[in-house]
Amino acid sequence: QKEVEQNSGPLSVPEGAIASLNCTYSDRVSQSFFWYRQYSGKSPELIMSIYSNGDKEDGRFTAQLNKASQYVSLLIRDSQPSDSATYLCAVKVTNTGKLIFGQGTTLQVKP
Amino acid sequence: DAGVIQSPRHEVTEMGQEVTLRCKPISGHNSLFWYRQTMMRGLELLIYFNNNVPIDDSGMPEDRFSAKMPNASFSTLKIQPSEPRDSAVYFCASSLGRAHEQFFGPGTRLTVL
Repeated sequence: QKEVEQNSGPLSVPEGAIASLNCTYSDRVSQSFFWYRQYSGKSPELIMSIYSNGDKEDGRFTAQLNKASQYVSLLIRDSQPSDSATYLCAVKVTNTGKLIFGQGTTLQVKP
Repeated sequence: DAGVIQSPRHEVTEMGQEVTLRCKPISGHNSLFWYRQTMMRGLELLIYFNNNVPIDDSGMPEDRFSAKMPNASFSTLKIQPSEPRDSAVYFCASSLGRAHEQFFGPGTRLTVL
């Protein structure tokens, strides 16, 4: 089992819809979780971090964390074509600075 | 403020040559990370430094790879000798302490012929 798993997609949604991206992880004691967005040919860009169970909202983005079920998700409301990118889930290894990344989910928002 | 700076942005070299990639972290950040990204393996951590000291190099693929951080504002990743399978995008990232969020540089796209 991979340490951080994501559906590679592509996930295709129409403009204005809600995009839901999911990630599961294997380390039960992980405490820190991150979502990065990566446009083709560019570097990963941090968009959300979450450390506690529940929801965290930032503009059109909502991160959700459920430690008991070992999953973290990212919701993008009112999806725009400019949101089309690969979304990487990252989990920090406890007591280290290491991030383990999932393979990423490619999101396509169609006008 | 300037973000993480990497150079060169693109490097094309021939098998057997030495390659040196450079990174300047965000000013004030004391943790620095080197990653490699390929289609097959995704984004992998190679090594990270905290306060200029290498903390974990378990991701360095083999002895051909070495990394240094002589001061708080500069790090290098060296591959000697380079091989075609080293072709990838190499990212440097920095954070304010190892527990904090990491910010990535633009990357160096390495092609080894």
